[in-house]
Amino acid sequence: QSVLTQPPSASGTPGQRVTISCSGSRSNIGGNAVNWYQHLPGTAPKLLIYNNYQRPSGVPDRFSASKSGTSASLAISGLQSEDEADYYCATWDDRLNGRVFGGGTKLTVL
Amino acid sequence: QVQLVESGGGVVQPGRSLRLSCAASGFLLTDYSLHWVRQAPGKGLEWVAGLSKDAENEYYADSVRGRLTISRDRSKNTLYLQMNSLRLGDTALYYCARDWVMDVWGQGTTVTVSS
Repeated sequence: QSVLTQPPSASGTPGQRVTISCSGSRSNIGGNAVNWYQHLPGTAPKLLIYNNYQRPSGVPDRFSASKSGTSASLAISGLQSEDEADYYCATWDDRLNGRVFGGGTKLTVL
Repeated sequence: QVQLVESGGGVVQPGRSLRLSCAASGFLLTDYSLHWVRQAPGKGLEWVAGLSKDAENEYYADSVRGRLTISRDRSKNTLYLQMNSLRLGDTALYYCARDWVMDVWGQGTTVTVSS
């Protein structure tokens, strides 16, 4: 059972906008920055978003994120087939004194 | 080129030990915090251990505390994960990652714990 809760799956058609939620608590999301990762199993995960909403260079602006209270969300607009992957939120947990990941959301592009 | 390359994975019996390595190139490990993250078969990403930039502080997931130890060798620019008292549940693909935001990842090395 992950400390951060994500929906196990999400889907959309090309061009659509999809959002993925990440729910936590005051000890993690409520007091710390959230990062988002894109992962194709067997390959290196890729940092998509850091510090709640900032994009590393090279990440398209189709990817955006926000945080409010103890929840965060990732939005992908103009969905493309290559966006099909697993997406994870992550942050620090003050109570556990360590990093925590969400359980991951498998995005399917229909 | 900024890169992390893991090695040292393999098949090991329960209770035995293994040491993973993560060689860095294109940057100095001493300039960043460093982390190990694993993915068990069919499961999601799980943060395992972290080392502060000054190497003064080590952080561990509850599931591995007391059995796994993170360390680095400044002269070799290499990160390590010493894994003792291995359990079946430690079977996973192990990644090393750079910085608290984990902006650079290696390709991973596979650890299989099996009798």
